[in-house]
Amino acid sequence: QSVLTQPPSVSGAPGQRVTISCTGSSSNIGAGYDVHWYQQLPGTAPKLLIYGNSNRPSGVPDRVSGSKSGASASLAITGLQAEDEADYYCQSYDSSLSGYWVFGGGTKLTVL
Amino acid sequence: QVQLVQSGAEVKKPGASVKVSCKASGYTFSTYGISWVRQAPGQGLEWVGWISSHNDNTKNAQKLQGRVIMTIDTSTSTAYMELRSLRSDDTAVYYCARVWFSGYDRHFDYWGQGTLVTVAS
Repeated sequence: QSVLTQPPSVSGAPGQRVTISCTGSSSNIGAGYDVHWYQQLPGTAPKLLIYGNSNRPSGVPDRVSGSKSGASASLAITGLQAEDEADYYCQSYDSSLSGYWVFGGGTKLTVL
Repeated sequence: QVQLVQSGAEVKKPGASVKVSCKASGYTFSTYGISWVRQAPGQGLEWVGWISSHNDNTKNAQKLQGRVIMTIDTSTSTAYMELRSLRSDDTAVYYCARVWFSGYDRHFDYWGQGTLVTVAS
């Protein structure tokens, strides 16, 4: 059971827009901690996709965007391409106990 | 460019210990902490722990309390994660990741390639 909740899977046709939600609580996202997103292609290490809720690292296309509201966040990908098929994870920080990093359970994006 | 290069795959028996290394290059090692994240076969990402690279402070996941030891060697810019009393459910790919830590922004900006640790009798 992950601290952050994501849908297990989403899908879309090439060119379409998809969104992936990430729901937390008052001790993590709702406490003001930023949300970050990672893309993991099969057999590879995760790669930072969005940091600080909505910022893209160099090299990430602007058809990828992130947003945060209250205790939830979303990742949106427009103009879907075959290369976007991957697992996506949201991540934040939780202030309970002595503080620790938390992930969502991951969402498998399938390009139809 | 920033690189984190991890040690090779390990096969261990239940009850044994494993120590994974993560050698950093391309940045000032003492400026950023290192976290460890693991991924069991077919499963999601699970945070294991974090170590500061300038004062040895550590945090680790509560479920691994007492079994995980993280250390750093600043002379070689290398971080280590030792996991003791291995169980079959510790079988996973273990990643090290550089931590960006600024106020409420705490994320992993660079990752190692991963080290597969297999626990089997």
